[in-house]
Amino acid sequence: GAVVSQHPSRVICKSGTSVKIECRSLDFQATTMFWYRQFPKQSLMLMATSNEGSKATYEQGVEKDKFLINHASLTLSTLTVTSAHPEDSSFYICSASGGTGRDYGYTFGSGTRLTVV
Amino acid sequence: GQQLNQSPQSMFIQEGEDVSMNCTSSSIFNTWLWYKQDPGEGPVLLIALYKAGELTSNGRLTAQFGITRKDSFLNISASIPSDVGIYFCAGLTGGGNKLTFGTGTQLKVEL
Repeated sequence: GAVVSQHPSRVICKSGTSVKIECRSLDFQATTMFWYRQFPKQSLMLMATSNEGSKATYEQGVEKDKFLINHASLTLSTLTVTSAHPEDSSFYICSASGGTGRDYGYTFGSGTRLTVV
Repeated sequence: GQQLNQSPQSMFIQEGEDVSMNCTSSSIFNTWLWYKQDPGEGPVLLIALYKAGELTSNGRLTAQFGITRKDSFLNISASIPSDVGIYFCAGLTGGGNKLTFGTGTQLKVEL
C-alpha cells in the first residue's frame, strides 16, 4: 500500500532558527502533497497544497514567507518553518495524493512534533 | 476553514461493545474517508466511500456514505482496547482535491 515517510518525528529548536521537515512518498508518485498543522485535542487544519514543480497554494491566514514549501520532485516535499517562535510549536503532518486506482486515497505521514524554545 | 461536525465528541465504552459515530455537513461531498489517529502519529485511513448509499466494511469496521451525501457513519463492532484513539471523518468535493476534516471523536475503551 501507499507509504508516506515524514522526518524528523520530533524536533526542538531555539527561537529564531529555521527547521526543515521532509515528506516522502516511498512507493508511489505524489502529484500533490498537503501540509497540515494540528494543535492538541484539535482536528487537522490544512496549511498549504503543493504540486510538483509549481508554487504552493497557501490557505488563508498562513504566512507563506514563514512556512516555505518546496515540492521539487514527485516523491519529496519539504516544509521549512523560518524564524521559528514558541507559538509555532505544534504537530505538523503531511499527506500525499497520487498513485493508481480508486484506493490511492490520501495517505498521511507520521507527523513531526515541533517544539520551539 | 470549514469543518465537518462529528458526534459524539468523545465516548467511553466497555470492551466488547459496539460503537457508532457520525459525521455531518451542510455541504455535499463526493468522497468520504474515515481515519484513526493514535497519539503522536499521523492519521491512518480506515475506510473510503465513493458513492452515495455505499456501505463498506473493513474487518470490524463498517462505514456508510449517506444518501444525501451530507453525512457518513462509522460503526465498530465488538470493540477492543486497541480501538482507542481519535477517529476523524474527512470529505472531498468533486471538483477539489482538498480534504475537509471532521472535529473528531475520541474513543476510550474500558477493559
